Amino acid sequence: GQNIDQPTEMTATEGAIVQINCTYQTSGFNGLFWYQQHAGEAPTFLSYNVLDGLEEKGRFSSFLSRSKGYSYLLLKELQMKDSASYLCAVRDQSGGGADGLTFGKGTHLIIQP
Amino acid sequence: DTEVTQTPKHLVMGMTNKKSLKCEQHMGHRAMYWYKQKAKKPPELMFVYSYEKLSINESVPSRFSPECPNSSLLNLHLHALQPEDSALYLCASSQDRSGEQFFGPGTRLTVL
Repeated sequence: GQNIDQPTEMTATEGAIVQINCTYQTSGFNGLFWYQQHAGEAPTFLSYNVLDGLEEKGRFSSFLSRSKGYSYLLLKELQMKDSASYLCAVRDQSGGGADGLTFGKGTHLIIQP
Repeated sequence: DTEVTQTPKHLVMGMTNKKSLKCEQHMGHRAMYWYKQKAKKPPELMFVYSYEKLSINESVPSRFSPECPNSSLLNLHLHALQPEDSALYLCASSQDRSGEQFFGPGTRLTVL
């Protein structure tokens, strides 16, 4: 099985930087994903890490340490529209070769003016 | 075309009804997925199709029956559902089993 932990809720200020952490335990790690989900909408793909290190995409960056079972999503120059849930998801290819994603419970990010 | 589409957007059905959810993508993706998402919960994997073959069934009750008629289409047939099956049903696709997954807008299902 898999265990994915991330904070339930975070608050940050418009224009600032916020880091959302995710820790995971899995037996056949094959990639970690971050998705953004606004209320009532589908998840939107943000980033993907399979090797250790930092991946940068505009205002969003994601970091992975496989040895520590740890990832973070960094959001810079926060905008009000960034208020959403951020989902950490792990792909596991252990056992029968499962490749669907297992999601953490999501971090509800609130951006204040 | 770079999106996953799902129909209908909303569906209300009784426990004795038979209905189907449809998902379509024209990105040439060869893996397609069904997820179920309850309110304030993360998506949960139901089924995975890879090259039109069912590769994963996450112990989903038989009242949910997936079908992949071709590489662009994925259906979910519903029969004799329970009120607790009310949820957002999300379809996703990826280039193959190792690529990032892109989600459709979902079908919001209510079972009365």
